[in-house]
Amino acid sequence: KNQVEQSPQSLIILEGKNCTLQCNYTVSPFSNLRWYKQDTGRGPVSLTIMTFSENTKSNGRYTATLDADTKQSSLHITASQLSDSASYICVAALYGQNFVFGPGTRLSVLP
Amino acid sequence: SQTIHQWPATLVQPVGSPLSLECTVEGTSNPNLYWYRQAAGRGLQLLFYSVGIGQISSEVPQNLSASRPQDRQFILSSKKLLLSDSGFYLCAWDRDRDRGYEQYFGPGTRLTVT
Repeated sequence: KNQVEQSPQSLIILEGKNCTLQCNYTVSPFSNLRWYKQDTGRGPVSLTIMTFSENTKSNGRYTATLDADTKQSSLHITASQLSDSASYICVAALYGQNFVFGPGTRLSVLP
Repeated sequence: SQTIHQWPATLVQPVGSPLSLECTVEGTSNPNLYWYRQAAGRGLQLLFYSVGIGQISSEVPQNLSASRPQDRQFILSSKKLLLSDSGFYLCAWDRDRDRGYEQYFGPGTRLTVT
């Protein structure tokens, strides 16, 4: 069964601190792995897209890693800001098919 | 630049009433189009996707239907809404998911069925 799991379910950190979100996926045939940021009541916005041959990709203070062997990915946020408060969704894309969405990690950044 | 529109932004409908949500994309041609639903506190669920005019694929059985009357227009409909249809409906588009193209989401429609 194709599925994507994320941990933790929710996370609270102080402004300025770093954090890492985890994603485990079991999908086939795997095409690429995506991270999205979704603000409350808004549509998701793409942060990174990685194919199986890419180990890391950065987008500003966001850095995603991918281990295609263990089927794990992480999203690291550096020097968090209040505006980073959102849900972060891990998504696995399947070749010739569609996407499998994780349940998301709810991040709250406190001042 | 490309833009994706959805309307209405919010909608409150009684059980058994019809539904029509519209999505349009500007600035691109022949996009793949998607309808997703997100229940409160849950992940996104793919409802329909379309690779061209009149070509609709359904991912889950339900009382919803989709149509693509024009290249950049995608419509989600229901003849009779159920309470379980409440949720946040998102339209999205992309060019080619297998090549790692980004998928862009619209602002969403919050539907409450009472």
